[in-house]
Formats: sequence, structure tokens, C-alpha cells
Amino acid sequence: DAGVIQSPRHEVTEMGQEVTLRCKPISGHDYLFWYRQTMMRGLELLIYFNNNVPIDDSGMPEDRFSAKMPNASFSTLKIQPSEPRDSAVYFCASSFRFYSSRDRGAETQYFGPGTRLLVL
Amino acid sequence: GNSVTQMEGPVTLSEEAFLTINCTYTATGYPSLFWYVQYPGEGLQLLLKATKADDKGSNKGFEATYRKETTSFHLEKGSVQVSDSAVYFCALGAGGTSYGKLTFGQGTILTVHP
Repeated sequence: DAGVIQSPRHEVTEMGQEVTLRCKPISGHDYLFWYRQTMMRGLELLIYFNNNVPIDDSGMPEDRFSAKMPNASFSTLKIQPSEPRDSAVYFCASSFRFYSSRDRGAETQYFGPGTRLLVL
Repeated sequence: GNSVTQMEGPVTLSEEAFLTINCTYTATGYPSLFWYVQYPGEGLQLLLKATKADDKGSNKGFEATYRKETTSFHLEKGSVQVSDSAVYFCALGAGGTSYGKLTFGQGTILTVHP
């Protein structure tokens, strides 16, 4: 499998512009996560989906951020309008739930290479 | 709520030195525990994991044992290499209504010099 695919890998934009980040999870995975990483705040979970349904979006910083998952193989994270403080590396990750008698905790998340966003 | 506390970094070692990165957690029930590694310019990748008390996860010479009595999951390696220079994240998965979600520590930067 190609792993989690993210595009673009780098994005430079000006303040006020709309930014769309894209993610293709590993085929067959039923969880998808969006994270943001900065030096100041470390790794933050923004939102995650299960079977294309948003489960927890409490990490989304504000209304300027939105995420969708129209099908099992594609998700977008949109920032509109963008601001310089949105500059960060955005990661997408996916995982698959193995149902078993010891079903607890979480299964391994597989991360994409990230999108490095710079808002001028 | 769930939380993970990692040893403050950065950690700087010479090649072949012994490595320990401390990780303690707070969670209800029986979480799964993970160590992820992030090499420069890349995403995080799983290094090792443990799903129940006294389990030992191991990979690439790294080890960590799930200690419920001390709520710890310390990462160790007997002899580090320059190629181990990276950021290391401890994480827990609590399950239940939060199944799938991981809580990460703040990360520990490791630099290994020749």
C-alpha cells in the first residue's frame, strides 16, 4: 500500500486566502485524523472521523477551519480565511479497528508525510 | 482526563550511549501505550506499543514495558546511533467512547553525536 497520501506537500499563501489540504487514507482504514504541529503548541488533534462521520471536532481552533470526509478514500481540511498564525505542519493519519475480545485502547495510527503551510 | 507526560528535552548523547526517555500517563481503565518516532521532515511512525500491563514492546533495539503500578512506559535503548536522532512521542489510547483517539506527550528531541 502507498500509505497515507497528503497534498500538497508545501503550500505558501497570503493572509486571507482559502487553503485546502487533502488526504487519502490507507485503503480499508475506518478512522481518519487531522493533526497540526507547531513548535509552540506541539502536536494537536484537530478532528477525527470514523466511517466518514466526524466524531470529535473539539480541537478545531475556530470557525475558519472546516473538515469533510465525503467518502472512505478522501478527506479535506479547509482554512478560510487563512491567517499567519495558521502556519504549521498539518498531518493526516488513518487507522483500522480490529474487533476482538480485548477490544480497548486504540490501534496503530499511520501518518502521512504532512503539508507544510506558510501563511504570509 | 487522559494525559501523557514526557521527559523534558532535548536529550543529547554520544553514539553507543544508553538512552532512557521517561513517560508517565494518567488514564482510567486499561489504555494501550505507544511510542512514535518522527525523523526530520517526516510524519510520525510507530516505534513500538503495548496493550496490557507488563507487556514489553520492542523494535529496532528500543524497548518499553507497560508498568501499571507506576503508570509508566519508559523508552530505552542500550546503544544509540546517530541515525536515532529524531523526536520521540509517547502516546496512549484510552478506548471506550474515545476509541481510536490517541493522547500524545509533548515529544522529546534526541540528538546523537558521533
